[in-house]
Amino acid sequence: EAQVTQNPRYLITVTGKKLTVTCSQNMNHEYMSWYRQDPGLGLRQIYYSMNVEVTDKGDVPEGYKVSRKEKRNFPLILESPSPNQTSLYFCASSLLRSVGNEKLFFGSGTQLSVL
Amino acid sequence: SQELEQSPQSLIVQEGKNLTINCTSSKTLYGLYWYKQKYGEGLIFLMMLQKGGEEKSHEKITAKLDEKKQQSSLHITASQPSHAGIYLCGADMGGAQKLVFGQGTRLTINP
Repeated sequence: EAQVTQNPRYLITVTGKKLTVTCSQNMNHEYMSWYRQDPGLGLRQIYYSMNVEVTDKGDVPEGYKVSRKEKRNFPLILESPSPNQTSLYFCASSLLRSVGNEKLFFGSGTQLSVL
Repeated sequence: SQELEQSPQSLIVQEGKNLTINCTSSKTLYGLYWYKQKYGEGLIFLMMLQKGGEEKSHEKITAKLDEKKQQSSLHITASQPSHAGIYLCGADMGGAQKLVFGQGTRLTINP
């Protein structure tokens, strides 16, 4: 089944403890992206990757890192999480990323709480 | 301010009633996408509109993009409990790096 898989689904951690949220897609998509969703603010892009070894900042990249060493995987790294990073995170992918032509496939989300 | 404004932010309707959700931008939309989200879960793709005046339907859901490509509407006919959730519009607004999303519309269907 074609899908975007995120893990874990739920995560509770403490301030400053490094964590990684994994994202994997099995559709051979070139484009991958991370969003966070917060009440009243909607979905905001954190980082994106147009292809392997090509990553760039989105609208809210502070406090996050990503890597794209393989086409299928795009992990999100929080080196020193803080409470303001408590949010619902989504990984998304598409075959290509051309304007107006490619829908995004989304993972099921990771609910992160930083205490 | 949001680049994409959705209205209303929340909507409660009686089962069987029709409803409309709007998505508006001050800029041209090069691709408009409608997604549905179950509370706290992932986004499910509903429809994509590309051309001014385009209209698409799937089951009881119809989406339209206006001629100027600055506004889209999502219409649900004879609503059912399965339609409950959060509806989000997303759009390409010129840059290929991301979709911009509206804040979402929370739809509740009362039996």
